[in-house]
Amino acid sequence: NAGVTQTPKFQVLKTGQSMTLQCAQDMNHEYMSWYRQDPGMGLRLIHYSVGAGITDQGEVPNGYNVSRSTTEDFPLRLLSAAPSQTSVYFCASSPAYLSYEQYFGPGTRLTVT
Amino acid sequence: TQLLEQSPQFLSIQEGENLTVYCNSSSVFSSLQWYRQEPGEGPVLLVTVVTGGEVKKLKRLTFQFGDARKDSSLHITAAQPGDTGLYLCAGEVGGTSYGKLTFGQGTILTVHP
Repeated sequence: NAGVTQTPKFQVLKTGQSMTLQCAQDMNHEYMSWYRQDPGMGLRLIHYSVGAGITDQGEVPNGYNVSRSTTEDFPLRLLSAAPSQTSVYFCASSPAYLSYEQYFGPGTRLTVT
Repeated sequence: TQLLEQSPQFLSIQEGENLTVYCNSSSVFSSLQWYRQEPGEGPVLLVTVVTGGEVKKLKRLTFQFGDARKDSSLHITAAQPGDTGLYLCAGEVGGTSYGKLTFGQGTILTVHP
């Protein structure tokens, strides 16, 4: 099993550009989520999904969209990048019956200039 | 306002010393987890505690969940350079399902040889 994979590893965007961060898991986990990590802030939940076709907002959803068409994939879209979205983004998955055990991907480091 | 407060934020010690990291909140958590994160990687789950007063041991690491399920501590005995990393606590508030976690801001631990 590859676990949770994220692409790209690094990305630089200009203000106003859009892009999609990819996340995939091969563990058949129902629950997937996106976090951003900023210095001194821990991880903050952006969006999450409890299964294919179901998504909901987390703590900091503004400026981001998600969709969940399959169990395996959970892409995060930045609609119009802003410097405040410079961060490290982590995708995580969790089996529904062990809701507190989260498996994280390696992260995407995004810089918006 | 951070729902989960971790202290200290930074800890720099010599190999062989003992240390304790604290995670406190005014909210009651149905479960609380501790993660360890190394540079350039995603967090990795160390332990989950779910019962007030619960104590779990993982080799030289001892985790405790407060009786009222509002706080937790991580104690490391005889720290080693390999313990260096970012330690994060994360709680699931009020029995919400599917692992919707709130993270503390983290404790950066450096263990010098």
